[in-house]
Amino acid sequence: DAKTTQPPSMDCAEGRAANLPCNHSTISGNEYVYWYRQIHSQGPQYIIHGLKNNETNEMASLIITEDRKSSTLILPHATLRDTAVYYCIAANQAGTALIFGKGTTLSVSS
Amino acid sequence: GAVVSQHPSWVICKSGTSVKIECRSLDFQATTMFWYRQFPKQSLMLMATSNEGSKATYEQGVEKDKFLINHASLTLSTLTVTSAHPEDSSFYICSAREGGQGLRSYTFGSGTRLTVV
Repeated sequence: DAKTTQPPSMDCAEGRAANLPCNHSTISGNEYVYWYRQIHSQGPQYIIHGLKNNETNEMASLIITEDRKSSTLILPHATLRDTAVYYCIAANQAGTALIFGKGTTLSVSS
Repeated sequence: GAVVSQHPSWVICKSGTSVKIECRSLDFQATTMFWYRQFPKQSLMLMATSNEGSKATYEQGVEKDKFLINHASLTLSTLTVTSAHPEDSSFYICSAREGGQGLRSYTFGSGTRLTVV
């Protein structure tokens, strides 16, 4: 699986959009970009995933660059409950385990 | 959506005893389950992959005789920490994957906080 690189931490004001970047320059053609988040002392929660098209669901939007070397997770209106560690993972759908990097700690403040 | 139930959510045990952690897929059949361990302020580390009806595959450095994994049915996998020691204290998390491909095919349990005293 391709390695991903994320900033260790980010801050965001409540109500503003949180844009979390992820670099995956070695991603292969059959690897998807998955985003999970982990709130303190809980299991990871699925957010969104995509292959090459931009994706949107009730939680977030995923913007993938045309060359697929990077992506951005967008939380359109961050709330205090969005404070968590966000993990970007590149993985194929062959069913092997997701491998977690260090992620980005997002702190949302009022 | 898919739900994975993990039990217990926390456990305290004495050094030298064994502890069993259960991971159940509630509304889907999980052909594959994964076990992770997470130490404070660190990321999740994959310990092993279990497939229903076969032996688990352990990651390098994980002692298979210490961390016994049983995946006897399509909805239940168990992790038994044998002869636990204080250094085994950690947050253990399971993940289940539905058969086939598709959205959200990896669902995580809520984790088990193990403290060995």
